[in-house]
Amino acid sequence: NAGVTQTPKFQVLKTGQSMTLQCAQDMNHNSMYWYRQDPGMGLRLIYYSASEGTTDKGEVPNGYNVSRLNKREFSLRLESAAPSQTSVYFCASRGGRGAYGYTFGSGTRLTVV
Amino acid sequence: TQLLEQSPQFLSIQEGENLTVYCNSSSVFSSLQWYRQEPGEGPVLLVTVVTGGEVKKLKRLTFQFGDARKDSSLHITAAQPGDTGLYLCAGALGSNYKLTFGKGTLLTVNP
Repeated sequence: NAGVTQTPKFQVLKTGQSMTLQCAQDMNHNSMYWYRQDPGMGLRLIYYSASEGTTDKGEVPNGYNVSRLNKREFSLRLESAAPSQTSVYFCASRGGRGAYGYTFGSGTRLTVV
Repeated sequence: TQLLEQSPQFLSIQEGENLTVYCNSSSVFSSLQWYRQEPGEGPVLLVTVVTGGEVKKLKRLTFQFGDARKDSSLHITAAQPGDTGLYLCAGALGSNYKLTFGKGTLLTVNP
């Protein structure tokens, strides 16, 4: 089925470890986004990529890096995980001009201990 | 300061009742969207409104965008248990379509 695929679905890290969250979409969408969702805080934008080859910071970029590998893939990297990065991470994509809606993946639940 | 304020935060009603959820801001949005999220899943788009005063209907759901494009409401008629979920409003500022989300309204419809 067409959509946004995120891997892994669950991950436990120790403080200081690194990892990369993977995201791929097969809808030929131009823009891709990474959000985190925390209780009482809602969804907050970490980084986004308006088009292949560009990335920009969102509301909460500290502690994260991203790579837009190609049009399909947009990865999020935690270089040195901290307990404050325990969250559910969502990747989303959006089509071109006039296509307002986001398509979200099913999320990665990350726990940093 | 939250850019988009949703109210109420929690809502528990009986099957068959009507309800309205509100999304308010002091900012003007180029478009506003409503999503529904179920546990363990990502948000799913319900509707996008782009014109001030616009009203859209999706079966028992009615969405309205304020005339000044600063607020929106979602009205559900004759709620069903299948309507249970987290309802999120999200607004886009300008033309880059970066969405800012409200914190959501958690709706529970009891049989």
